[in-house]
Amino acid sequence: GAGVSQTPSNKVTEKGKYVELRCDPISGHTALYWYRQSLGQGPEFLIYFQGTGAADDSGLPNDRFFAVRPEGSVSTLKIQRTERGDSAVYLCASSQTGGEGETQYFGPGTRLLVL
Amino acid sequence: AQTVTQSQPEMSVQEAETVTLSCTYDTSENNYYLFWYKQPPSRQMILVIRQEAYKQQNATENRFSVNFQKAAKSFSLKISDSQLGDTAMYFCAFMKRGGNQFYFGTGTSLTVIP
Repeated sequence: GAGVSQTPSNKVTEKGKYVELRCDPISGHTALYWYRQSLGQGPEFLIYFQGTGAADDSGLPNDRFFAVRPEGSVSTLKIQRTERGDSAVYLCASSQTGGEGETQYFGPGTRLLVL
Repeated sequence: AQTVTQSQPEMSVQEAETVTLSCTYDTSENNYYLFWYKQPPSRQMILVIRQEAYKQQNATENRFSVNFQKAAKSFSLKISDSQLGDTAMYFCAFMKRGGNQFYFGTGTSLTVIP
C-alpha cells in the first residue's frame, strides 16, 4: 500500500479485556513507531522498532503494554487487562531507516474505547 | 527533558488570508529538528514542514513557511493564502539529534472560514 495502515479503525472493549492493535508500515520502511494520543493532547511516544527489535520502549506506560514486530514489517500493540484510562487514539508511524531527523509517516490511528 | 508549548488552542482565518501559529520549546540540546504536522478529522498526521536547527535559513514549502528563532526557542508556522482544506489540528514537534521519538505540543485547531 501507499501509506501506513492500521486496523481496526475503532475498537470498543470492556475493562479488563485484552486487545491487539495492528500496524502495516510503508513497504520497505525499517523503522516503526507507536504513539498514544489522548483527547485534547498531542501524541506521546510509546515504542520504536528498528527491524524486528524494540530499540526504545521507554514510553510504554507499564507492563500491561507490549508490542511485537516479528518479521520486521507488521507490528502489533498488545494491551492486557485494559483500563478506562487506556482509552485513546493509538497512532503508528514508519520511516525509511530510522535515521536522524527522519520524517515519520503516520497511519490514521485506532481509536480505543474502554468501557 | 524536552517540552513543546502551543499557546493557541484555537484559531480562525478568512480564506485567502495569512495566519501564524505559535510554538515554543524548551531543551538543553544544541542540535535538533523541528516539525509541523497537520491532523485533519481523518486523524492521519501529515507532515507540513521540517526544519533542521543547525540551518539558519527558514524552511519554506509552497504556502507554508516557518520563523525559526533558535535563541528564543520559537518555531512559528505561517500559512499564506489560506484554503478551506487547511482546516485541521496543527501540531508542533521536536526531535533531538540522535533521537527517534517526537515530542509534540498540544496542538492548535485552525478553522479556515469561507
